[in-house]
Amino acid sequence: DTEVTQTPKHLVMGMTNKKSLKCEQHMGHRAMYWYKQKAKKPPELMFVYSYEKLSINESVPSRFSPECPNSSLLNLHLHALQPEDSALYLCASSQGIGAGVYNEQFFGPGTRLTVL
Amino acid sequence: SQQGEEDPQALSIQEGENATMNCSYKTSINNLQWYRQNSGRGLVHLILIRSNEREKHSGRLRVTLDTSKKSSSLLITASRAADTASYFCAPRSNRDDKIIFGKGTRLHILP
Repeated sequence: DTEVTQTPKHLVMGMTNKKSLKCEQHMGHRAMYWYKQKAKKPPELMFVYSYEKLSINESVPSRFSPECPNSSLLNLHLHALQPEDSALYLCASSQGIGAGVYNEQFFGPGTRLTVL
Repeated sequence: SQQGEEDPQALSIQEGENATMNCSYKTSINNLQWYRQNSGRGLVHLILIRSNEREKHSGRLRVTLDTSKKSSSLLITASRAADTASYFCAPRSNRDDKIIFGKGTRLHILP
């Protein structure tokens, strides 16, 4: 299984809502990533988890809260978002990170988030 | 920043022609990767070239890397309509674990 799955595909939420995005992979990868992508822009790295621990936080606002319950799952909890947070949220995984690891990333199809 | 900068930003060619995209970056790298993204969907990894490699092939794709010039190129030969997509280079710094995507080249194959 070389697939990264993301749910939901589409999400519309109000600024007072709490919602979660989910990502799952069964490739035995030990690194997982969240990216945010606005229209016609490249993906922007948000978080990196390595061996279920947060490795990188790219100064993301606290209204985005990542969670890695186990090596196959990655969640992104959303609370009190702003309309400018509307974007495509991409999850990715790779075998690992660190010296000597070449870090090819496998991406999910993304969740299209709209904040009203 | 090791973010790549692709050139051109947009490219339209006739089906069957070759497409060349270039990428420049600023720092020392461990490897450089190219990804494709169809409109509004996830990215697909195309090819990875290591810092000690100069050229790599995969099917109709040919990637070159010149670390002295901090640049890479992606050549797609005999283009097809299905190649219409955005292409991103992603240099990986040998200092940290981040892959930072460049702005991308939007490739449009005309029938």
